[in-house]
Amino acid sequence: GAVVSQHPSRVICKSGTSVKIECRSLDFQATTMFWYRQFPKQSLMLMATSNEGSKATYEQGVEKDKFLINHASLTLSTLTVTSAHPEDSSFYICSAQPAGSSYNEQFFGPGTRLTVL
Amino acid sequence: AQSVAQPEDQVNVAEGNPLTVKCTYSVSGNPYLFWYVQYPNRGLQFLLKYITGDNLVKGSYGFEAEFNKSQTSFHLKKPSALVSDSALYFCAVREDHTGTASKLTFGTGTRLQVTL
Repeated sequence: GAVVSQHPSRVICKSGTSVKIECRSLDFQATTMFWYRQFPKQSLMLMATSNEGSKATYEQGVEKDKFLINHASLTLSTLTVTSAHPEDSSFYICSAQPAGSSYNEQFFGPGTRLTVL
Repeated sequence: AQSVAQPEDQVNVAEGNPLTVKCTYSVSGNPYLFWYVQYPNRGLQFLLKYITGDNLVKGSYGFEAEFNKSQTSFHLKKPSALVSDSALYFCAVREDHTGTASKLTFGTGTRLQVTL
């Protein structure tokens, strides 16, 4: 149980285009999902907290107009990187927190590697 | 603010020997502590957690960790390392805030290299 998927696993796009990444909780409902970014050989940096049915909460320094987050259902959150540039190339990881979990555990997706040419 | 420190960028150990990956934390309240492992180009896999209770926590793949409140540490250990344990290990902490969305703070990661 507690499986989280991400799609696509890898995407290459041209500079200026937009890319959508999906995060799904496969066998549980998630009221909260988190989006992280990981640069090579670095730790995970929280970008935003996504709550079902409401606006995402962005961390300081993260542009909400560039990284659009939609949490339309209890099993799906999407991250859209708008007008992508090479500096947006990174490994994006989502996690999902099961609804009603006692200790607010997070289960992580396998990640999406974005390369912007 | 909560924070996590993993003082070692890399730990090298021979297969069959015990391993320790260090982690210290800082929170203002009670900590929830986690260890995750990451293989190349993959997401994070949960290893174990400390919430409350016994200070020695046993997790997946033979790993364990000991919560030490006085030293604010949560070191990851395994009695006998395997080559397949070679990966990137992250310690994470969050404060005990029940009923609210939890923000995990991650350490910078420690690369474990197990050799024959």
